[in-house]
Amino acid sequence: QQPVQSPQAVILREGEDAVINCSSSKALYSVHWYRQKHGEAPVFLMILLKGGEQKGHDKISASFNEKKQQSSLYLTASQLSYSGTYFCGTEDAGGTSYGKLTFGQGTILTVHP
Amino acid sequence: DVKVTQSSRYLVKRTGEKVFLECVQDMDHENMFWYRQDPGLGLRLIYFSYDVKMKEKGDIPEGYSVSREKKERFSLILESASTNQTSMYLCASSFYERFGTSAKETQYFGPGTRLLVL
Repeated sequence: QQPVQSPQAVILREGEDAVINCSSSKALYSVHWYRQKHGEAPVFLMILLKGGEQKGHDKISASFNEKKQQSSLYLTASQLSYSGTYFCGTEDAGGTSYGKLTFGQGTILTVHP
Repeated sequence: DVKVTQSSRYLVKRTGEKVFLECVQDMDHENMFWYRQDPGLGLRLIYFSYDVKMKEKGDIPEGYSVSREKKERFSLILESASTNQTSMYLCASSFYERFGTSAKETQYFGPGTRLLVL
């Protein structure tokens, strides 16, 4: 079963903040976040492993609450280059996953000047 | 830099044709994956492989098969293409710790093949 992302779409002006959520019904070992621009391959943003560690990269950060099986991606002071579709990919806990990820349906982020 | 390449960016085929999509990675990754991407549905896993000649079904394997004869190459085969297989197909690869059980590194994607079946 795919994780559920919310919101499905968000429109921002440059400089505004956004939060994208990813929720799974299964116990998770890790959550991976990607951004995909139109016509391009998804690009890796960050990985969060079991342990609730919050990671950050420039003005994009993320958290992972394994008890709630949820992850959130935080984009602060958005830039035009942040526009794209954001996907979370989740890895189930337990057993041997071979690194298999299940992806959410995506969140379309549009940043206007 | 990891490089994952796919044989075609765009492909047009007719219903009933046999279609081969090729994916090559240059980072000696054990794992390789095939996804299809459709609007509103995200990326759905078709098949993956964790070693040469090894394959596992993903969430939507019906109508597809795969082949992995060499570590760097993973092929997706549509035995008899149908119009509902019109989609964007993405290949990915990742490192896998042979004695581990989970992904400690992420997947790297190719540019995708947009397939139209008429």
